Amino acid sequence: RKEVEQDPGPFNVPEGATVAFNCTYSNSASQSFFWYRQDCRKEPKLLMSVYSSGNEDGRFTAQLNRASQYISLLIRDSKLSDSATYLCVVNRGSSNTGKLIFGQGTTLQVKP
Amino acid sequence: GAVVSQHPSRVICKSGTSVKIECRSLDFQATTMFWYRQFPKQSLMLMATSNEGSKATYEQGVEKDKFLINHASLTLSTLTVTSAHPEDSSFYICSAQPVLAGGTSSYNEQFFGPGTRLTVL
Repeated sequence: RKEVEQDPGPFNVPEGATVAFNCTYSNSASQSFFWYRQDCRKEPKLLMSVYSSGNEDGRFTAQLNRASQYISLLIRDSKLSDSATYLCVVNRGSSNTGKLIFGQGTTLQVKP
Repeated sequence: GAVVSQHPSRVICKSGTSVKIECRSLDFQATTMFWYRQFPKQSLMLMATSNEGSKATYEQGVEKDKFLINHASLTLSTLTVTSAHPEDSSFYICSAQPVLAGGTSSYNEQFFGPGTRLTVL
C-alpha cells in the first residue's frame, strides 16, 4: 500500500466549477499535511498547509480527518490557471524530520 | 521569498559517466536539504536527506555509492550520479529547510529548487 494515495484523475471541469480532491495516508503518526501544486515539468510549489480544524485560503479549502486518515482539497470557482497537478503531501512519522511523502498527484484540467 | 537554485537545469550524458547536480539556497541557510527523484507521471520520491557537516541518510532502496551526496556548506548540497545508466534518467529535485534564529530548522517549511532533468543515453 502506498503511503499517500490519490486518484490521479484527470479531472476535466469547466471554468467556474467546484472540484474536490481526496487523499488518504497510511501512517497514523504523521503530523503535518500539505497540498502542493506542480505545473508540467516544474518543481512543486506549496499551495497550503492543512490544519486539523480545516482552513481556507481564498477559493481553496483544505480539510483533515485524522480518524479516517483522509485529506481533502476543494477548489471553488475554478480558473483556467488552476490547471495543474495537485500533490497531497504528508510528513513521514511523528518526529517531524522534514521528510515529505508525496502522493502521485491529481491532475486538473479547467476548460473554457 | 526563499529561493533555491539547481544547476544544471538539464543535462544529457553518456551511459557510464558521472553527473553532478548542485542545489543552492540563495538567500537563507539550510542545515538540511532533501533530494527527490520524479519519473514521468509518478510522484516525487524522497531519495536522501543531506545534512551539513555529516553523512547523508538514504531512503530504503537508494544506493548510497551510486548517488553521492555532499553538503559542505550551509547553502550548498551536491548530488553526484555515478556511472549513470539510462534507467537513471529522471527529474531530480532538491529542497531546503531554512535554519531559524536559534539554529533550529523550520520543519514545516521547505523550498524546492526548479529541478534538473537528467537524460542518460
